[in-house]
Amino acid sequence: GNSVTQMEGPVTLSEEAFLTINCTYTATGYPSLFWYVQYPGEGLQLLLKATKADDKGSNKGFEATYRKETTSFHLEKGSVQVSDSAVYFCALSEVPGGKLIFGQGTELSVKP
Amino acid sequence: GAGVSQSPSNKVTEKGKDVELRCDPISGHTALYWYRQSLGQGLEFLIYFQGNSAPDKSGLPSDRFSAERTGGSVSTLTIQRTQQEDSAVYLCASSENNSPLHFGNGTRLTVT
Repeated sequence: GNSVTQMEGPVTLSEEAFLTINCTYTATGYPSLFWYVQYPGEGLQLLLKATKADDKGSNKGFEATYRKETTSFHLEKGSVQVSDSAVYFCALSEVPGGKLIFGQGTELSVKP
Repeated sequence: GAGVSQSPSNKVTEKGKDVELRCDPISGHTALYWYRQSLGQGLEFLIYFQGNSAPDKSGLPSDRFSAERTGGSVSTLTIQRTQQEDSAVYLCASSENNSPLHFGNGTRLTVT
């Protein structure tokens, strides 16, 4: 069945460091891929998405590129801030707007 | 506009009691999802509604769990004879026309 695997946390970085959170997926067909973020005490929010191969999703300085050849959707940011501290979830859906299958989540802590 | 609203935000109940959790989706969203978020288990899909029908109930963990949706809007998730392992945050999400899912802030259920 379809699944999402993301790197385990917690990840601790200093402010202005480069961030990569790895995400790989297993799916039949051509899923849509997402990153959701959960800030402390808040609900899940969509961070970015990509719906087809080679698409790049971007938002708030974060980027992820849909790589079909490596079945990956790694999240990157060039310079993290303390306010980026949150739990990040990679997810896929088989059809647009359909059920999401989530990875386990990666907790990011950014220190000043 | 208003987002997905869930109530109560917190619920503490005794083992063996029944609980009802409520979700008000974004107005006009035809698709509604319930997820469970617990430590060590990540985000688990429970059930999906399209309108008032539930074509995918595959994630409900046992027959103690049920959900309904009325008027294509409000949904309730009912857990009968609660057990301690039911303690988790229950998340509701809605979407329309193949758009990404929008999540509520969840109901934190604690079974004592």
